[in-house]
Amino acid sequence: ELKVEQNPLFLSMQEGKNYTIYCNYSTTSDRLYWYRQDPGKSLESLFVLLSNGAVKQEGRLMASLDTKARLSTLHITAAVHDLSATYFCAVDMRGSQGNLIFGKGTKLSVKP
Amino acid sequence: DAGITQSPRYKITETGRQVTLMCHQTWSHSYMFWYRQDLGHGLRLIYYSAAADITDKGEVPDGYVVSRSKTENFPLTLESATRSQTSVYFCASSEWTGGMADTQYFGPGTRLTVL
Repeated sequence: ELKVEQNPLFLSMQEGKNYTIYCNYSTTSDRLYWYRQDPGKSLESLFVLLSNGAVKQEGRLMASLDTKARLSTLHITAAVHDLSATYFCAVDMRGSQGNLIFGKGTKLSVKP
Repeated sequence: DAGITQSPRYKITETGRQVTLMCHQTWSHSYMFWYRQDLGHGLRLIYYSAAADITDKGEVPDGYVVSRSKTENFPLTLESATRSQTSVYFCASSEWTGGMADTQYFGPGTRLTVL
């Protein structure tokens, strides 16, 4: 059974600081996804990581994937209030026809 | 409008009633999915569909029925609603490229309350 664990589940940051969210998964996977969800809203795709060593960056967010360690990280650089949201990682288990297993999410709050 | 839409956006119903949640996508994506989102559980897959007339169970299918007669529509029916089905329901769609699924695009969600 594929399990996806995120930590921390809650993160309170000050603006300007850096931090990393971790996503561990328990079995071989073809792809790893990061999504963002604002309160009361839907999920928005941030990154799709396809292979070992993949790194993608968008603004202050950078995601990486280490398939050997079964670990993905979402690094936040110089956080700003607009980044406050819940971030989910999701893993596409090999052979699963695209079914995603989601982590429980990391609720990020960036304070001035 | 292009994209993926869900209706209704909000629904209040009573225990035992049948409820149908609608999902429509304009991209002609092959795959469609239904999730429920609950505090403490994250998102859990209810049912998915690989193409018209092909559906399969996800992690939490009990109490739900789906159909997919057309590629663009994927309705979810609660045959006899229970309070435990109070949740936010998200529909998603994705394409299948190079033997693997692309990223999933999510609809705006339906907030369902069962009294």
